[in-house]
Amino acid sequence: DAGVTQSPTHLIKTRGQHVTLRCSPISGHKSVSWYQQVLGQGPQFIFQYYEKEERGRGNFPDRFSARQFPNYSSELNVNALLLGDSALYLCASSKEPNEKLFFGSGTQLSVL
Amino acid sequence: QKEVEQDPGPLSVPEGAIVSLNCTYSNSAFQYFMWYRQYSRKGPELLMYTYSSGNKEDGRFTAQVDKSSKYISLFIRDSQPSDSATYLCAMSQLTGGGNKLTFGTGTQLKVEL
Repeated sequence: DAGVTQSPTHLIKTRGQHVTLRCSPISGHKSVSWYQQVLGQGPQFIFQYYEKEERGRGNFPDRFSARQFPNYSSELNVNALLLGDSALYLCASSKEPNEKLFFGSGTQLSVL
Repeated sequence: QKEVEQDPGPLSVPEGAIVSLNCTYSNSAFQYFMWYRQYSRKGPELLMYTYSSGNKEDGRFTAQVDKSSKYISLFIRDSQPSDSATYLCAMSQLTGGGNKLTFGTGTQLKVEL
């Protein structure tokens, strides 16, 4: 079975632009979470979605938003990009919200 | 003070050595404890998952949790060069809403021939 897949793998944007990152969970997994990992740090929780509903939100500004689709895939949107948004964005899926999380390989976002 | 503290390393050991990786935490509500392995420019890979104090063994890996001391460890026996990676501890608490993981900063491990 395929693992969590994310696209694109790499992305370069300039300050002020908008970006959309995409994630497909493992087949049979209904919950998707997003994490931000800055170089040299552990991942930081951004959002969790389950059955298209937001189940949790981390300490990130309103420029960050997400949604989950009926097929359980998900998008993370970031508006008005800042240099500090440069990071590896990780998507993780689980069968149910409180079960083990399995991560994708991430999208490396560089903001210039 | 961070909720989860982890020595960033780097830690360098010879092949075949026993490796000990550790994390401490301050939030007594944490009930689930995980160790992830992350290779450079890749996503974290789940190694161990436990929710009780004590030891859990899986092949060359042993996870140890001491809730009274708020301390968790990962032991790697017979370490191999392929074990060279960053090891992240993570923990979460049971909530009605979902599963937010709180990670340590990660320990960079290098196993040398």
